[in-house]
Amino acid sequence: SQQGEEDPQALSIQEGENATMNCSYKTSINNLQWYRQNSGRGLVHLILIRSNEREKHSGRLRVTLDTSKKSSSLLITASRAADTASYFCATDVNRNKLVFGAGTILRVKS
Amino acid sequence: ETGVTQTPRHLVMGMTNKKSLKCEQHLGHNAMYWYKQSAKKPLELMFVYNFKEQTENNSVPSRFSPECPNSSHLFLHLHTLQPEDSALYLCASKLRGAETQYFGPGTRLLVL
Repeated sequence: SQQGEEDPQALSIQEGENATMNCSYKTSINNLQWYRQNSGRGLVHLILIRSNEREKHSGRLRVTLDTSKKSSSLLITASRAADTASYFCATDVNRNKLVFGAGTILRVKS
Repeated sequence: ETGVTQTPRHLVMGMTNKKSLKCEQHLGHNAMYWYKQSAKKPLELMFVYNFKEQTENNSVPSRFSPECPNSSHLFLHLHTLQPEDSALYLCASKLRGAETQYFGPGTRLLVL
């Protein structure tokens, strides 16, 4: 069974609104990472949060991690049309590999 | 531009063909990965190489054959594929022990 599962599967918002995506996982982790993928392209790393951290910020991104609930959320504030992409959480179970979820498709309408 | 390149970007092949996908990284990394991305499914890890040695084969059918001649190059040799193998194949690399992977743009494969 997959480690990370994102929710919702798809999200459509207006430019300027905030977008929140959630990720749940099953096993203990070293860290949790969020990646973005523009249509048909490779993934780009956005932000990493370690298992002993609860919240992290990077520009318009805010990530939270609740290890007791085995869940994380990614908040994108003041969204832009250029934020339209798929967003994936990935859990680092060992240093050698990541396990990805199925992703959330975000559409930001201008 | 992430420093990881993949060629070709698009490939159409018949089930009896033999083709190869190439990945090259210019980042000085020593771990390389092949992933398969099918529509509406999570990214599937296929193979992991560390210092040119294969350290993980995620139960991938033998019609996919990886090769890692050095830490900068990774190949995926394809033969007698099935239509369900059509997908986006992504290569990634990182420094062994580091946390973040860097992805190439992928090869879009269509098997007819």
